[in-house]
Amino acid sequence: EAQVTQNPRYLITVTGKKLTVTCSQNMNHEYMSWYRQDPGLGLRQIYYSMNVEVTDKGDVPEGYKVSRKEKRNFPLILESPSPNQTSLYFCASRTPRWVSGGEQFFGPGTRLTVL
Amino acid sequence: DAKTTQPTSMDCAEGRAANLPCNHSTISGNEYVYWYRQIHSQGPQYIIHGLKNNETNEMASLIITEDRKSSTLILPHATLRDTAVYYCIVRVAPSEKLTFGTGTRLTIIP
Repeated sequence: EAQVTQNPRYLITVTGKKLTVTCSQNMNHEYMSWYRQDPGLGLRQIYYSMNVEVTDKGDVPEGYKVSRKEKRNFPLILESPSPNQTSLYFCASRTPRWVSGGEQFFGPGTRLTVL
Repeated sequence: DAKTTQPTSMDCAEGRAANLPCNHSTISGNEYVYWYRQIHSQGPQYIIHGLKNNETNEMASLIITEDRKSSTLILPHATLRDTAVYYCIVRVAPSEKLTFGTGTRLTIIP
């Protein structure tokens, strides 16, 4: 089954304790992206990656890092989490050919709470 | 990217057509209109997209005005499972950046 998986689905942590949220897709997609969703603000893009070793900032990259060492994986790293990073996080993937398609597949989400 | 304006919420009776409007008055010639929906707190789901012409797929129809300043997503026979937040997004190809607004919360009423 074609899918995007995220782990963990739920995480409660404390300020300053480094964490990684993993994202993996089995569709051989070049493009992957991370979003955060907060009440009243919709989904905002954090980082995206056009391909292996190619990443770029989205709208709200501060406080986050990403890496793309393999095509299927795109982990989101919070080096020193703060309470304002409490949010619902989504990973997404697709082939980077917007003209011929449009479907971006989203993962199930990771609900992160930073105390 | 052009900004979009959508009503905050709408209701629709089950079995009727749901028409969701979107204004994108600053859209430029190479910007596509995309629609996604999000049920509860699940990951958003792609519905349809278009540039100039009206589009139809198994889920919905997309009507884009001739001046491209607005569009309407039509769910022809709404069911309770269509209750969700619907996002209208405009973007430039081949840019990969997606900007979601706050969307329209559609409630299907039995």
